[in-house]
Amino acid sequence: GQQLNQSPQSMFIQEGEDVSMNCTSSSIFNTWLWYKQDPGEGPVLLIALYKAGELTSNGRLTAQFGITRKDSFLNISASIPSDVGIYFCAGPNSGNTPLVFGKGTRLSVIA
Amino acid sequence: SAVISQKPSRDICQRGTSLTIQCQVDSQVTMMFWYRQQPGQSLTLIATANQGSEATYESGFVIDKFPISRPNLTFSTLTVSNMSPEDSSIYLCSVVTGELPEAFFGQGTRLTVV
Repeated sequence: GQQLNQSPQSMFIQEGEDVSMNCTSSSIFNTWLWYKQDPGEGPVLLIALYKAGELTSNGRLTAQFGITRKDSFLNISASIPSDVGIYFCAGPNSGNTPLVFGKGTRLSVIA
Repeated sequence: SAVISQKPSRDICQRGTSLTIQCQVDSQVTMMFWYRQQPGQSLTLIATANQGSEATYESGFVIDKFPISRPNLTFSTLTVSNMSPEDSSIYLCSVVTGELPEAFFGQGTRLTVV
Protein backbone atom coordinates (compact mmCIF):
# COMPACT_ATOMS: atom_id res chain seq x y z
CA GLY A 1 0.00 0.00 0.00
CA GLN A 2 0.93 3.65 -0.06
CA GLN A 3 3.45 4.85 2.47
CA LEU A 4 4.04 8.30 3.86
CA ASN A 5 7.52 9.37 4.92
CA GLN A 6 7.49 12.12 7.49
CA SER A 7 10.44 14.18 8.69
CA PRO A 8 11.91 15.10 11.00
CA GLN A 9 11.07 12.38 13.53
CA SER A 10 11.44 14.81 16.40
CA MET A 11 12.24 18.46 16.99
CA PHE A 12 13.29 20.49 20.01
CA ILE A 13 12.76 24.21 19.52
CA GLN A 14 12.72 27.38 21.56
CA GLU A 15 9.43 29.09 22.25
CA GLY A 16 8.80 31.72 19.58
CA GLU A 17 10.68 29.89 16.83
CA ASP A 18 9.08 28.78 13.58
CA VAL A 19 8.78 25.08 12.77
CA SER A 20 8.63 23.22 9.49
CA MET A 21 7.92 19.55 8.89
CA ASN A 22 7.17 17.63 5.73
CA CYS A 23 5.68 14.49 4.34
CA THR A 24 6.48 12.66 1.11
CA SER A 25 4.94 9.73 -0.69
CA SER A 26 6.11 7.33 -3.37
CA SER A 27 2.74 7.67 -5.08
CA ILE A 28 0.26 10.43 -5.81
CA PHE A 29 -2.19 11.54 -3.16
CA ASN A 30 -5.36 13.48 -3.95
CA THR A 31 -5.77 14.71 -0.39
CA TRP A 32 -3.33 15.64 2.35
CA LEU A 33 -4.43 15.97 5.95
CA TRP A 34 -2.44 17.17 8.95
CA TYR A 35 -3.32 16.03 12.48
CA LYS A 36 -2.01 16.78 15.95
CA GLN A 37 -2.10 14.28 18.80
CA ASP A 38 -1.76 15.38 22.42
CA PRO A 39 -0.77 12.82 25.06
CA GLY A 40 -3.68 10.59 26.01
CA GLU A 41 -5.88 11.90 23.23
CA GLY A 42 -6.87 10.93 19.72
CA PRO A 43 -5.56 12.87 16.72
CA VAL A 44 -7.27 16.16 15.94
CA LEU A 45 -7.55 17.45 12.38
CA LEU A 46 -5.61 20.69 11.81
CA ILE A 47 -5.67 21.30 8.07
CA ALA A 48 -7.06 19.56 4.98
CA LEU A 49 -5.62 20.07 1.48
CA TYR A 50 -7.43 19.01 -1.69
CA LYS A 51 -5.70 20.69 -4.63
CA ALA A 52 -2.13 20.50 -5.89
CA GLY A 53 -0.34 23.75 -5.04
CA GLU A 54 -2.95 24.70 -2.46
CA LEU A 55 -1.68 26.74 0.49
CA THR A 56 -3.97 26.81 3.51
CA SER A 57 -3.65 28.51 6.89
CA ASN A 58 -5.25 27.85 10.25
CA GLY A 59 -4.08 30.48 12.71
CA ARG A 60 -0.33 30.09 13.12
CA LEU A 61 -0.35 26.92 11.03
CA THR A 62 0.21 26.89 7.28
CA ALA A 63 0.22 23.80 5.08
CA GLN A 64 0.85 23.29 1.38
CA PHE A 65 -0.09 20.54 -1.05
CA GLY A 66 2.93 19.92 -3.29
CA ILE A 67 2.64 20.46 -7.04
CA THR A 68 3.72 16.88 -7.75
CA ARG A 69 0.96 15.64 -5.38
CA LYS A 70 3.59 13.51 -3.67
CA ASP A 71 4.45 15.83 -0.82
CA SER A 72 3.14 18.32 1.69
CA PHE A 73 4.60 20.51 4.39
CA LEU A 74 3.30 22.03 7.61
CA ASN A 75 4.70 25.21 9.12
CA ILE A 76 4.03 26.53 12.61
CA SER A 77 4.97 30.12 13.26
CA ALA A 78 5.95 31.63 16.61
CA SER A 79 5.68 28.37 18.52
CA ILE A 80 4.17 28.29 22.00
CA PRO A 81 4.28 25.59 24.70
CA SER A 82 0.83 24.21 23.77
CA ASP A 83 2.17 23.31 20.33
CA VAL A 84 3.88 20.34 21.97
CA GLY A 85 2.61 17.05 20.62
CA ILE A 86 2.90 14.66 17.72
CA TYR A 87 2.03 15.89 14.24
CA PHE A 88 0.89 13.37 11.64
CA CYS A 89 0.37 13.72 7.93
CA ALA A 90 -2.28 11.45 6.42
CA GLY A 91 -4.00 10.70 3.17
CA PRO A 92 -6.59 8.32 1.75
CA ASN A 93 -5.21 4.84 1.05
CA SER A 94 -7.20 4.58 -2.14
CA GLY A 95 -10.18 6.41 -3.45
CA ASN A 96 -11.55 8.56 -0.69
CA THR A 97 -10.93 6.52 2.50
CA PRO A 98 -9.51 5.13 4.73
CA LEU A 99 -6.46 7.10 5.83
CA VAL A 100 -2.85 6.03 6.03
CA PHE A 101 -0.61 7.94 8.40
CA GLY A 102 2.98 9.07 8.42
CA LYS A 103 5.16 8.07 11.38
CA GLY A 104 4.73 11.47 12.98
CA THR A 105 6.92 14.38 14.05
CA ARG A 106 7.26 14.77 17.82
CA LEU A 107 7.54 18.45 18.69
CA SER A 108 8.96 19.72 21.95
CA VAL A 109 8.94 23.44 22.79
CA ILE A 110 11.41 24.79 25.31
CA ALA A 111 10.16 27.83 27.15
CA SER B 1 -17.34 17.03 12.70
CA ALA B 2 -18.66 14.51 15.20
CA VAL B 3 -18.42 13.82 18.92
CA ILE B 4 -17.00 10.35 19.47
CA SER B 5 -17.07 8.58 22.83
CA GLN B 6 -14.92 5.56 23.45
CA LYS B 7 -15.20 3.24 26.42
CA PRO B 8 -13.22 2.28 28.35
CA SER B 9 -10.59 5.01 28.16
CA ARG B 10 -8.03 2.63 29.60
CA ASP B 11 -7.78 -0.87 31.01
CA ILE B 12 -5.27 -3.33 32.38
CA CYS B 13 -6.08 -6.91 31.42
CA GLN B 14 -4.73 -10.36 32.09
CA ARG B 15 -3.25 -12.29 29.21
CA GLY B 16 -5.64 -14.77 27.64
CA THR B 17 -8.72 -12.65 28.34
CA SER B 18 -10.72 -10.48 25.93
CA LEU B 19 -11.73 -6.83 26.03
CA THR B 20 -14.53 -5.15 24.12
CA ILE B 21 -14.15 -1.47 23.28
CA GLN B 22 -17.21 0.60 22.46
CA CYS B 23 -17.43 3.58 20.11
CA GLN B 24 -20.51 5.80 20.17
CA VAL B 25 -20.99 8.74 17.79
CA ASP B 26 -23.43 11.58 18.36
CA SER B 27 -24.69 11.49 14.75
CA GLN B 28 -25.04 9.02 11.91
CA VAL B 29 -21.78 8.61 10.01
CA THR B 30 -20.93 7.07 6.68
CA MET B 31 -17.75 5.25 7.67
CA MET B 32 -16.28 3.90 10.90
CA PHE B 33 -12.76 2.57 11.34
CA TRP B 34 -10.62 1.03 14.03
CA TYR B 35 -6.92 1.87 14.33
CA ARG B 36 -4.15 0.57 16.54
CA GLN B 37 -1.32 2.76 17.80
CA GLN B 38 1.50 0.79 19.37
CA PRO B 39 3.70 2.60 21.91
CA GLY B 40 5.59 5.43 20.24
CA GLN B 41 4.30 4.48 16.82
CA SER B 42 1.95 5.79 14.19
CA LEU B 43 -1.63 4.71 13.55
CA THR B 44 -2.26 1.45 11.74
CA LEU B 45 -5.67 0.62 10.32
CA ILE B 46 -7.15 -2.59 11.71
CA ALA B 47 -10.43 -2.68 9.81
CA THR B 48 -13.37 -0.81 8.36
CA ALA B 49 -16.54 -1.45 10.36
CA ASN B 50 -19.40 -2.07 7.93
CA GLN B 51 -22.95 -1.49 9.06
CA GLY B 52 -24.94 -4.70 9.02
CA SER B 53 -22.18 -6.85 7.54
CA GLU B 54 -18.74 -8.25 8.31
CA ALA B 55 -15.89 -5.80 8.79
CA THR B 56 -13.20 -5.41 6.14
CA TYR B 57 -9.83 -6.27 7.67
CA GLU B 58 -6.41 -5.00 6.65
CA SER B 59 -3.50 -7.29 6.00
CA GLY B 60 -2.18 -8.73 9.24
CA PHE B 61 -5.47 -8.44 11.13
CA VAL B 62 -8.06 -11.24 11.34
CA ILE B 63 -11.62 -11.48 12.52
CA ASP B 64 -10.91 -14.18 15.10
CA LYS B 65 -8.48 -11.88 16.90
CA PHE B 66 -10.32 -8.58 16.39
CA PRO B 67 -14.05 -9.22 15.96
CA ILE B 68 -15.93 -6.04 15.12
CA SER B 69 -19.60 -5.21 15.22
CA ARG B 70 -21.48 -2.27 13.75
CA PRO B 71 -25.20 -2.73 14.34
CA ASN B 72 -26.16 0.79 13.24
CA LEU B 73 -24.78 4.07 11.88
CA THR B 74 -23.72 5.47 15.25
CA PHE B 75 -22.17 2.57 17.17
CA SER B 76 -19.38 0.01 16.80
CA THR B 77 -17.41 -2.33 19.01
CA LEU B 78 -13.94 -3.82 18.68
CA THR B 79 -12.98 -6.88 20.71
CA VAL B 80 -9.36 -7.76 21.34
CA SER B 81 -9.43 -11.52 21.89
CA ASN B 82 -7.10 -13.87 23.74
CA MET B 83 -4.84 -10.97 24.63
CA SER B 84 -1.08 -11.11 24.96
CA PRO B 85 1.35 -8.37 26.06
CA GLU B 86 1.98 -7.60 22.37
CA ASP B 87 -1.60 -6.31 22.18
CA SER B 88 -0.75 -3.47 24.56
CA SER B 89 -1.57 -0.41 22.48
CA ILE B 90 -3.93 2.48 22.08
CA TYR B 91 -7.02 1.52 20.08
CA LEU B 92 -8.77 4.36 18.28
CA CYS B 93 -12.21 4.62 16.75
CA SER B 94 -12.45 6.92 13.74
CA VAL B 95 -15.36 8.18 11.67
CA VAL B 96 -15.96 9.92 8.38
CA THR B 97 -19.13 11.98 8.37
CA GLY B 98 -19.56 12.96 4.74
CA GLU B 99 -18.09 12.62 1.29
CA LEU B 100 -14.71 14.13 2.16
CA PRO B 101 -12.04 11.82 3.63
CA GLU B 102 -11.54 13.97 6.74
CA ALA B 103 -11.61 11.54 9.66
CA PHE B 104 -12.39 12.32 13.29
CA PHE B 105 -11.14 10.31 16.23
CA GLY B 106 -12.25 9.23 19.65
CA GLN B 107 -9.91 9.79 22.58
CA GLY B 108 -8.67 6.23 22.35
CA THR B 109 -8.54 3.22 24.65
CA ARG B 110 -5.17 2.60 26.26
CA LEU B 111 -4.84 -1.15 26.77
CA THR B 112 -2.14 -2.77 28.87
CA VAL B 113 -1.91 -6.56 28.92
CA VAL B 114 -0.05 -8.14 31.81
